[in-house]
Amino acid sequence: DAGVIQSPRHEVTEMGQEVTLRCKPISGHNSLFWYRQTMMRGLELLIYFNNNVPIDDSGMPEDRFSAKMPNASFSTLKIQPSEPRDSAVYFCASSSPGGQVTEAFFGQGTRLTVV
Amino acid sequence: GNSVTQMEGPVTLSEEAFLTINCTYTATGYPSLFWYVQYPGEGLQLLLKATKADDKGSNKGFEATYRKETTSFHLEKGSVQVSDSAVYFCALGRSSGSARQLTFGSGTQLTVLP
Repeated sequence: DAGVIQSPRHEVTEMGQEVTLRCKPISGHNSLFWYRQTMMRGLELLIYFNNNVPIDDSGMPEDRFSAKMPNASFSTLKIQPSEPRDSAVYFCASSSPGGQVTEAFFGQGTRLTVV
Repeated sequence: GNSVTQMEGPVTLSEEAFLTINCTYTATGYPSLFWYVQYPGEGLQLLLKATKADDKGSNKGFEATYRKETTSFHLEKGSVQVSDSAVYFCALGRSSGSARQLTFGSGTQLTVLP
């Protein structure tokens, strides 16, 4: 299994531009998480999907951020318009179905720099 | 709500030293507890886990015991190596119906010197 695949690995964009981050979860996993990691705030959960449905988006910082999961094998996180304070590493993680929380498998992340 | 508090870093040790990274949690019910490790430039990887009180998780020489009475899950290793240098995250997992939560601590940077 290739694991969780994120693209791009690095993104540099100008303030005001739209940015789209992509994630392919592990096949068979039905839970998908988007996290943001910065030095100041550590690891923050942005949004969580279960069976392609957003369950908890309370961590999405503002309306400029949106996330979709059109099918079980693909999710996007979009920032429009982007701002310098959005610079961070964005991680996608997935986990398999289960009665209890099972471990989450993380992608390698997308390092976003907004200049 | 759920929260995880872990020892602030950075922690610097000499090779073969004993390691402890403290982690305490606040949660309702019976969460699962995890330690993740993040090597430079990579995503988080599960290091070990425990799903109920008194369980001990272990992997690669690291251990942690789920202590319900002290709400703790401290990470230990008897003899660290340079290759253990990384950031370590304590995490708590809960499920309620279809909702799942995975709450992370702030991370502890470990540097092991030869």
